[in-house]
Amino acid sequence: NAGVTQTPKFQVLKTGQSMTLQCAQDMNHNSMYWYRQDPGMGLRLIYYSASEGTTDKGEVPNGYNVSRLNKREFSLRLESAAPSQTSVYFCASTVGGSNSYEQYFGPGTRLTVT
Amino acid sequence: GEDVEQSLFLSVREGDSSVINCTYTDSSSTYLYWYKQEPGAGLQLLTYIFSNMDMKQDQRLTVLLNKKDKHLSLRIADTQTGDSAIYFCAGATDSWGKLQFGAGTQVVVTP
Repeated sequence: NAGVTQTPKFQVLKTGQSMTLQCAQDMNHNSMYWYRQDPGMGLRLIYYSASEGTTDKGEVPNGYNVSRLNKREFSLRLESAAPSQTSVYFCASTVGGSNSYEQYFGPGTRLTVT
Repeated sequence: GEDVEQSLFLSVREGDSSVINCTYTDSSSTYLYWYKQEPGAGLQLLTYIFSNMDMKQDQRLTVLLNKKDKHLSLRIADTQTGDSAIYFCAGATDSWGKLQFGAGTQVVVTP
């Protein structure tokens, strides 16, 4: 049982390049989330997927797109990377519904945009 | 939406108790959480409290909730060097688990 896995662990992009961050969970969770973590700002929600087939914007969605590929996988895409998107990105999952009180986090992807 | 505020740094001696404080703005927060982040790692849920509770104890951890003042605290008894980490307070106002995090409190435990 691997929990929540994320790839890659590290990435350096040039401004304007695109990339997709991958996230998968093996806990049969319904809800999945993407956060970014910036120094001194805690984690901010980018997008979430309450259940397979649905996605919704969080607090800071601009410049990102997501795909809930199936129940296990939730990817985050940067179409045209900008230096302001330099951050650590965390994926999380939870059972969903009234049992959403415990979120399980992946190890993070450290992204630098030059 | 919810705003969550925490002090940024706490230094504590090994063996002493640590108290990390958090204030939140949304009185309809249903769940309040404490997460721990060790260097280079993701967040790990330490404990949580429902808004209809005043206190929760879990081994060395005690969570106190003052709903009137919208104040949450985490006490760690007998603090150890392994407790050195960043601690995040977070609140949720709906059942979809959308969390609003504080900026985190860096706890440094000195021998």
